[in-house]
Amino acid sequence: GAVVSQHPSWVICKSGTSVKIECRSLDFQATTMFWYRQFPKQSLMLMATSNEGSKATYEQGVEKDKFLINHASLTLSTLTVTSAHPEDSSFYICSALEDPLAEQYFGPGTRLTVT
Amino acid sequence: DAKTTQPNSMESNEEEPVHLPCNHSTISGTDYIHWYRQLPSQGPEYVIHGLTSNVNNRMASLAIAEDRKSSTLILHRATLRDAAVYYCILESYAQGGSEKLVFGKGTKLTVNP
Repeated sequence: GAVVSQHPSWVICKSGTSVKIECRSLDFQATTMFWYRQFPKQSLMLMATSNEGSKATYEQGVEKDKFLINHASLTLSTLTVTSAHPEDSSFYICSALEDPLAEQYFGPGTRLTVT
Repeated sequence: DAKTTQPNSMESNEEEPVHLPCNHSTISGTDYIHWYRQLPSQGPEYVIHGLTSNVNNRMASLAIAEDRKSSTLILHRATLRDAAVYYCILESYAQGGSEKLVFGKGTKLTVNP
């Protein structure tokens, strides 16, 4: 099946710094990419939806100036957590959609720890 | 967003069938029923989806009630690798494009050797 990669798989950063997470669709072009966040023992929460070449659509309660999303091409989307704080520590997962009627392919996730 | 209800947890024995139920009484005519599963510390994985008819693939079967208010994911022979959290999600294409997936709490499946 289709493969979605994320880089890095884990990252530790200091409070106040910014961290960029990449999401790539390796063998298909993704019309839409999604970013989720998952806290321990909780379900996935959708943060934003991005389409190539247009601004991301953020879910209610997600600060767009803090979580910057860039969908530069049909195979790459990036999430930048700006001025990270310990409460931003979480498992960040992206998914990609090739066809609106198809299933979403999820990346392996990136574990962010902010100290 | 349409809601689904699933049991918090279920247990099964290895090599036995597993039936994972999902209730979605407020489903609309354009909602597809999707199932994903998530193994520990991994991203979710697509399992199966359907609209009205029962569906089969290499991973599982999906049985959809005639009134579409409930569905059941069937794993024909559970293996230890099937231990995961299973999410039943409704996805609507009413607006002509892809809709977001809204994850509930899912069912944590434990498979006993």
